[in-house]
Amino acid sequence: EPEVTQTPSHQVTQMGQEVILRCVPISNHLYFYWYRQILGQKVEFLVSFYNNEISEKSEIFDDQFSVERPDGSNFTLKIRSTKLEDSAMYFCASSVGQPQYEKLFFGSGTQLSVL
Amino acid sequence: QQPVQSPQAVILREGEDAVINCSSSKALYSVHWYRQKHGEAPVFLMILLKGGEQKGHDKISASFNEKKQQSSLYLTASQLSYSGTYFCGTERDNAGNMLTFGGGTRLMVKP
Repeated sequence: EPEVTQTPSHQVTQMGQEVILRCVPISNHLYFYWYRQILGQKVEFLVSFYNNEISEKSEIFDDQFSVERPDGSNFTLKIRSTKLEDSAMYFCASSVGQPQYEKLFFGSGTQLSVL
Repeated sequence: QQPVQSPQAVILREGEDAVINCSSSKALYSVHWYRQKHGEAPVFLMILLKGGEQKGHDKISASFNEKKQQSSLYLTASQLSYSGTYFCGTERDNAGNMLTFGGGTRLMVKP
């Protein structure tokens, strides 16, 4: 079965540094998402992306966050100036159609640790 | 607005049944169910659309009552492999792209 690929699997950074998390969604999918999960807690929606623009974003997704699809395959999440509370597992997901009707495929995640 | 799941945790013996509930204070268009094993990504189980759907998948089934704004996941004759955290995800309308997950229900199946 096709997979969503995320790199790196672990990222350690210093507070205030910029990080870029990378994702390769499934090739024929049109909708892309970023979620995060603080250890042992719920999976929180950050942003959805469709047709080269942000479709929805949550309150968590403030000015420190940005997403980009720089080419036909990659989908990135940038955190400009990381904070301690940004430490979490970040999941990328994609779906072939709108999430009202189609399942989300999740990548295996990037564990971000901010020191 | 995130859906509310109950119970927060369940411990079962193999072969026992469980029900996990998911409710929302807002009208729902569809409900997803996912299972997450420790240290892994959530994996899709099923999606239910408004219209009072019920679905089955092996010994796991679910229902969606849009009038009550709730969904239930039924696990029958549980197996060790059912252990994990179950999340419901909800979409409020047919135009948004914001699947919001509940707090999760941690299920442990013991031999």
